[in-house]
Amino acid sequence: GAVVSQHPSWVICKSGTSVKIECRSLDFQATTMFWYRQFPKQSLMLMATSNEGSKATYEQGVEKDKFLINHASLTLSTLTVTSAHPEDSSFYICSAKPRGQLKYEQYFGPGTRLTVT
Amino acid sequence: AQKVTQAQTEISVVEKEDVTLDCVYETRDTTYYLFWYKQPPSGELVFLIRRNSFDEQNEISGRYSWNFQKSTSSFNFTITASQVVDSAVYFCALSEEGGGFKTIFGAGTRLFVKA
Repeated sequence: GAVVSQHPSWVICKSGTSVKIECRSLDFQATTMFWYRQFPKQSLMLMATSNEGSKATYEQGVEKDKFLINHASLTLSTLTVTSAHPEDSSFYICSAKPRGQLKYEQYFGPGTRLTVT
Repeated sequence: AQKVTQAQTEISVVEKEDVTLDCVYETRDTTYYLFWYKQPPSGELVFLIRRNSFDEQNEISGRYSWNFQKSTSSFNFTITASQVVDSAVYFCALSEEGGGFKTIFGAGTRLFVKA
């Protein structure tokens, strides 16, 4: 089956620093990737939609200058949390839509747990 | 706008009991997909089922069954003879054609199955 990986699995960073999270589709090409954020005991909230070779589309209320998304290739999307603060501590999950496959098809990564101290 | 409501925040049952998790959705689209995912403590989402808006057939997979009713905009999930391993958070989700098939999740229902 289709596999999506995320790196790192967990990361701890100091307040004010930036951290990059990678999302890779390992055995398929993904024209679209989605980024979600999940706070403890809450649901997954869609942050942005990332299409290969174009700018990401952010959901309302998500600061695009704070959460930089780059989808430079058909197998890699990155989310950079700039100037991270403790309130950015969360579980970040990506998903990828296979190129040329059924419209609803998407596969989720295992998530990255970010802790900002 | 698409919306998914899971009114049950937490459910606690004793092993071998049956339990139903409710899901109500809102959409103006005629083409949409509904999903159920399981999220164990590890955090990784486990896909359970997908249903499209044109297929109201109920489905059974082992101890799991799903009841899709467009008339009430519901897509409920029943676990028969629950087991401790079923303890997790369960999410109902909606993906609609008009929204570019981005997936919107309900709030989730935390299921505790006690031995």
